[in-house]
Amino acid sequence: KNQVEQSPQSLIILEGKNCTLQCNYTVSPFSNLRWYKQDTGRGPVSLTIMTFSENTKSNGRYTATLDADTKQSSLHITASQLSDSASYICVAREGFQKLVFGTGTRLLVSP
Amino acid sequence: DAGVIQSPRHEVTEMGQEVTLRCKPISGHNSLFWYRQTMMRGLELLIYFNNNVPIDDSGMPEDRFSAKMPNASFSTLKIQPSEPRDSAVYFCASSLYYGTGASVETQYFGPGTRLLVL
Repeated sequence: KNQVEQSPQSLIILEGKNCTLQCNYTVSPFSNLRWYKQDTGRGPVSLTIMTFSENTKSNGRYTATLDADTKQSSLHITASQLSDSASYICVAREGFQKLVFGTGTRLLVSP
Repeated sequence: DAGVIQSPRHEVTEMGQEVTLRCKPISGHNSLFWYRQTMMRGLELLIYFNNNVPIDDSGMPEDRFSAKMPNASFSTLKIQPSEPRDSAVYFCASSLYYGTGASVETQYFGPGTRLLVL
C-alpha cells in the first residue's frame, strides 16, 4: 500500500533554534515529493516540490532534501520563528496527479 | 486572486441529513480535488477532476458521498445521508495540470469546511 510516514509526530523547540523533520515514503510509481505547511484552522500551503532527480531545494529558511534511493526526505528549518508553529506535511505524488499525504509533524516554537 | 473559495466554512447537522459542500477553484485551473482531513487519518483524497471530468473517485468512502463539477468554476461534494463518522474538515484544492507525469504543479487549498454531524 502506498503510504507516507513522518517523524516525530510532534516537536517543541525554542525560538531561534534549528530543527529537522523526517519523512519516509513507499509510493509507486513515484514522481515527486512535496512539503506543505498547515497553520491551525487553515488549508495546507506548499513549501517545496522536488522531483526524483533533485536532492535538495530551499525556500527561505526551509530546506528540503530527498534521497530517492532510500525513499527518505527531510525538512530542515533554520533559525525558527514563532510563526513556524504549524503542522508540516510530507506528500508523495503517485503517478500523474494523485497525492499521498503523511499525517504530519506538529511543530511548536516556544519563545 | 481570491484563491480557492469554499462554503460553508462551518456546518453542523444532524445524522441523516443531507450536506452539500461547495467549492470555487482558482480561475484558469483545470484540476480540482476534494480531500477529507481527520486527526486519526490525516488528509485523504476523495476524488479529483480534470477539465470537469471525474478521474479518480477511489477515495470516496461509500455511496453516500457524491461529487459533481458542472463547470470549470464550481464543484459540489454531497453527503446523503450524513453520519457522525463523516465529521471532519473537507478541503477543496485546485491546480493547473500540464498533462505530463513530470508535471510539478502546485495544488492550492481552500480554507476548508468544518463539518460536525451530531
